[in-house]
Amino acid sequence: DGGITQSPKYLFRKEGQNVTLSCEQNLNHDAMYWYRQDPGQGLRLIYYSQIVNDFQKGDIAEGYSVSREKKESFPLTVTSAQKNPTAFYLCASSLTGAAFENGYTFGSGTRLTVV
Amino acid sequence: EDQVTQSPEALRLQEGESSSLNCSYTVSGLRGLFWYRQDPGKGPEFLFTLYSAGEEKEKERLKATLTKKESFLHITAPKPEDSATYLCAGTGGYQKVTFGTGTKLQVIP
Repeated sequence: DGGITQSPKYLFRKEGQNVTLSCEQNLNHDAMYWYRQDPGQGLRLIYYSQIVNDFQKGDIAEGYSVSREKKESFPLTVTSAQKNPTAFYLCASSLTGAAFENGYTFGSGTRLTVV
Repeated sequence: EDQVTQSPEALRLQEGESSSLNCSYTVSGLRGLFWYRQDPGKGPEFLFTLYSAGEEKEKERLKATLTKKESFLHITAPKPEDSATYLCAGTGGYQKVTFGTGTKLQVIP
């Protein structure tokens, strides 16, 4: 059964700590994305990747980093430079880089809390 | 700047009481208008893509329509399992996708 797996489901970060959120897909999709969801706001794009070893900043990339070494995997690191990281993080993929053709498939999300 | 505005923020319906959710958009060169369903603590689930004014798509009790300024998600005879937050998003192409803040629907038995 194809889909996107995000882990962990819940993550707690201490001040000054870097944490990495995992995202794996077995849909053979080319493009992958990271979105952040906050209460009362629409989803905001953090980073996206249309092909292995290439990725681009989205609207709110500051304090985050990504890698795309394999087609299936697109991990997100929340660094200590991100001052307000508490949010629900969603990984998504699309068959091609033109999401309007196919829409996104989303993972089940990771809820990150600063303690 | 592209904008997508959804109304109402929350909607409470009795089971079987049909209604519509609104999505107003200003998206330059609209290439696609999406509807997603999101359950609490879960990722959004794709429902529909609409590409041009006048287009309609249906899935079970849901029907999505598109005009040049708005999209509507019509819910006919809803059931409690239709309770969720419904998200609308518009794209002018490739990575520029603008999401609305959603309408939280509650269907009471």
